[in-house]
Amino acid sequence: DAGITQSPRHKVTETGTPVTLRCHQTENHRYMYWYRQDPGHGLRLIHYSYGVKDTDKGEVSDGYSVSRSKTEDFLLTLESATSSQTSVYFCAISVTSGNHEQYFGPGTRLTVT
Amino acid sequence: GESVGLHLPTLSVQEGDNSIINCAYSNSASDYFIWYKQESGKGPQFIIDIRSNMDKRQGQRVTVLLNKTVKHLSLQIAATQPGDSAVYFCAETPTGGGNKLTFGTGTQLKVEL
Repeated sequence: DAGITQSPRHKVTETGTPVTLRCHQTENHRYMYWYRQDPGHGLRLIHYSYGVKDTDKGEVSDGYSVSRSKTEDFLLTLESATSSQTSVYFCAISVTSGNHEQYFGPGTRLTVT
Repeated sequence: GESVGLHLPTLSVQEGDNSIINCAYSNSASDYFIWYKQESGKGPQFIIDIRSNMDKRQGQRVTVLLNKTVKHLSLQIAATQPGDSAVYFCAETPTGGGNKLTFGTGTQLKVEL
């Protein structure tokens, strides 16, 4: 599992509340990613990081922010959660500079009511 | 725009038979094409990739074929086993796209005993 953990694994929150999801890796890999997975859409990239304090937007970044103050942690924040952000969120890392070989965490199921 | 899609949402095969999962892509400038497997309740798992200048690549019980003429990618699984039951995603990393993978919507493979 490339030493990737996500927390929390499940969360139910109300519309308008802030939510932070955490991705933690134990192997000091440079590249980290946040995806969301929804039926009919596969996985879509939200944000990614290519080093400490170096992040960039993905395909569906609106409504999300990220931070990476340490190599091992990549945080995804929903500043004001909406029902459209109900999804399963996956964190991933790249083991090598050939970044298409990504390793995924177990996922966080987020429900916004 | 770029898109990676799958022909069939569900594929049922008998144990021991060969499975073929198909994928169409639209970006002819993609560098790599990748297959991921996702078991229920888990994150996607890298299976195999193929570079755009190749037609075929073999792994353990799996073969990926790339037909650039018709922009078609397939994953062949030999002697399908119950443990192969999962959702399979194709993905691509476009030329110059760096680490931004684009995933297809997935095919559910069901192995019947």
